[in-house]
Amino acid sequence: QVQLQESGPGLVKPSETLSLTCTVSGDSITNNNFEWGWVRQPPGMGLEWIGSIYVGTTYYTPSLKSRITISEDASKNQFSLRMNSLIARDTAVYFCVRRTSGDYLDSWGQGTLVTVSS
Amino acid sequence: QSALTQPPSASGSPGQSVTISCTGSRTDVGGYAYVSWYQQHPGKAPKLLIYEVVKRPSGVPDRFSGSKSGNTASLTVAGLQAEDEADYYCCSYTGDNNLVFGGGTKVTVL
Repeated sequence: QVQLQESGPGLVKPSETLSLTCTVSGDSITNNNFEWGWVRQPPGMGLEWIGSIYVGTTYYTPSLKSRITISEDASKNQFSLRMNSLIARDTAVYFCVRRTSGDYLDSWGQGTLVTVSS
Repeated sequence: QSALTQPPSASGSPGQSVTISCTGSRTDVGGYAYVSWYQQHPGKAPKLLIYEVVKRPSGVPDRFSGSKSGNTASLTVAGLQAEDEADYYCCSYTGDNNLVFGGGTKVTVL
């Protein structure tokens, strides 16, 4: 059974850069049957797809493409999200996910709340 | 990419059925057989309920079913139970390896 666990700072200042890491157990991020990605959810609001990485190739949602980088560290079985130029509206719970070839998200981390505030 | 359109709320009594719609366009819901549905209880991560429009992962009760007609997908919850009270989100592939979610529907069991 695959498990995903997010880690990172809970508070980031406006204009700074957010770095989150997802540690995967029970599967390998080099498994080419899956993509590894990120979803966020502002407090009290809906889900937003951020992007994913698949055997080293990255895919980003157009609205965030200029500010995000997703990378992987196979040696640690982790993948990461970096988002720069943070604003208050980036305050959200960030989930890491496993995405299948059928374009659905079959495994989710528990989520980590990131607050953007000075 | 605009969010898919879902009704903000739906409700039903225990044992009744509720259907949630998810309306997009021919560039997402109408263009691909890759619509999925997720259930989210407060403070929890979403859970996959339906994938590829009509398929259920193992462990998901057959009370949950999905369908699609044109640019609108639907999730039906039959035989409502108290534990079905949650937020429900649809999601569609949009091309260019991108995904888009619906705005979510809060289901209340009366």
